[in-house]
Amino acid sequence: SAVISQKPSRDICQRGTSLTIQCQVDSQVTMMFWYRQQPGQSLTLIATANQGSEATYESGFVIDKFPISRPNLTFSTLTVSNMSPEDSSIYLCSFSGTGSYEQYFGPGTRLTVT
Amino acid sequence: EDQVTQSPEALRLQEGESSSLNCSYTVSGLRGLFWYRQDPGKGPEFLFTLYSAGEEKEKERLKATLTKKESFLHITAPKPEDSATYLCAVQEYSGYALNFGKGTSLLVTP
Repeated sequence: SAVISQKPSRDICQRGTSLTIQCQVDSQVTMMFWYRQQPGQSLTLIATANQGSEATYESGFVIDKFPISRPNLTFSTLTVSNMSPEDSSIYLCSFSGTGSYEQYFGPGTRLTVT
Repeated sequence: EDQVTQSPEALRLQEGESSSLNCSYTVSGLRGLFWYRQDPGKGPEFLFTLYSAGEEKEKERLKATLTKKESFLHITAPKPEDSATYLCAVQEYSGYALNFGKGTSLLVTP
């Protein structure tokens, strides 16, 4: 199966700054997703990113706060903008293969905002 | 209201002591139910997909089953390396989002 990676694996950022997280898959995939995993909480979908179209955001998440790019079929980025301590979380990207519904996850990016 | 509820939150087993994890769900149109394993500091690792009531899937010491309201992950004769958090997620026909439960943290001691 395809291999998925994320950069950075972790970061500590100052309040008010932005961080861009990169997600790379080693083969072409149609659908990529971005999730957030807060301590003690369930994984929550932020948005779905399809190549060639605008990302689709879930309720409670907005493009100005979490802009997403999907320039090709193997790569996506998520930016966490104007960060506050409440944005401290693990951010995960995933993809689903052609003709299947299960999603395969990257290793995650652990973000701490001070 | 949570769509997916997992129980227990934490489970401690002796090596070889079989048990089951529960995932109950409330969705209007279930496309699939998914089980994942997550080790500390890593992303979730896909285990099984179940699509219809009565379906069963097996992998090594794990067996997943599905009814119209819940799924069970049975662990037979667990080993310490089975220690992890097990996550359950549902996907509705209306979209591609996976709605996750909070997970069951399993510890298997020698």
